[in-house]
Amino acid sequence: QVYLVESGGGVVQPGGSLRLSCAASGFTFNSYGMHWVRQAPGKGLEWVAFIRYDASNKNYADSVRGRFTISRDNSKNTLYVQMNSLRDEDTAVYYCAKSSGADILSTIFDWGQGTLVTVSS
Amino acid sequence: QSALTQPPSASGSPGQSVTISCTGTSSDVGGYNYVSWYQQHPGKAPKLMIYEVTKRPSGVPDRFSGSKSGNTASLTVSGLQAEDEADYYCSSYAGINNYLFGTGTKVTVL
Repeated sequence: QVYLVESGGGVVQPGGSLRLSCAASGFTFNSYGMHWVRQAPGKGLEWVAFIRYDASNKNYADSVRGRFTISRDNSKNTLYVQMNSLRDEDTAVYYCAKSSGADILSTIFDWGQGTLVTVSS
Repeated sequence: QSALTQPPSASGSPGQSVTISCTGTSSDVGGYNYVSWYQQHPGKAPKLMIYEVTKRPSGVPDRFSGSKSGNTASLTVSGLQAEDEADYYCSSYAGINNYLFGTGTKVTVL
């Protein structure tokens, strides 16, 4: 059974920073690519970022490129996203998700329960 | 890139079938067989229902099926049940190391 538990969400002012974490268990973490996907309140899903199993490749949506950084610590089975220069439109539930393979050309297979980030003054 | 296009809503009576479309371009849906469908109940995380266009993960009822023709993928739910009432999203690998989700469809069981 795959378990993905996000943490680190909260309220932050525009222009501020926040780091989200995702603790993974139930599978061999260092063999799979991982995604962050977000969902603004009452809106649809938006892909945010992907990191390859060995962190050798990272990909970002245009809306966050240059502001967000995805990373992972395979020794701790943990995925991260560092979010800087936050904007009102970054307000969303952020989901950590496991890929079906090592690379981005695969399926977003398993999802965590999400953590809410609210950007507000 | 823009989101994939889905109808905002679909409905059917218990036991009937409903089909949801997901329209993209030759750069995403039409170009790759990495099309997936997710079910999301209110306040819950999405759940994978169909992957690689037609495959069902373990535990997903065979009432759920997927297909693709050109730049449009489809999800069909046969024998509708009350618990199928939810939001459904398609997704596709979109090339250049990018992913797209659909706009979402609210399925109502009448």
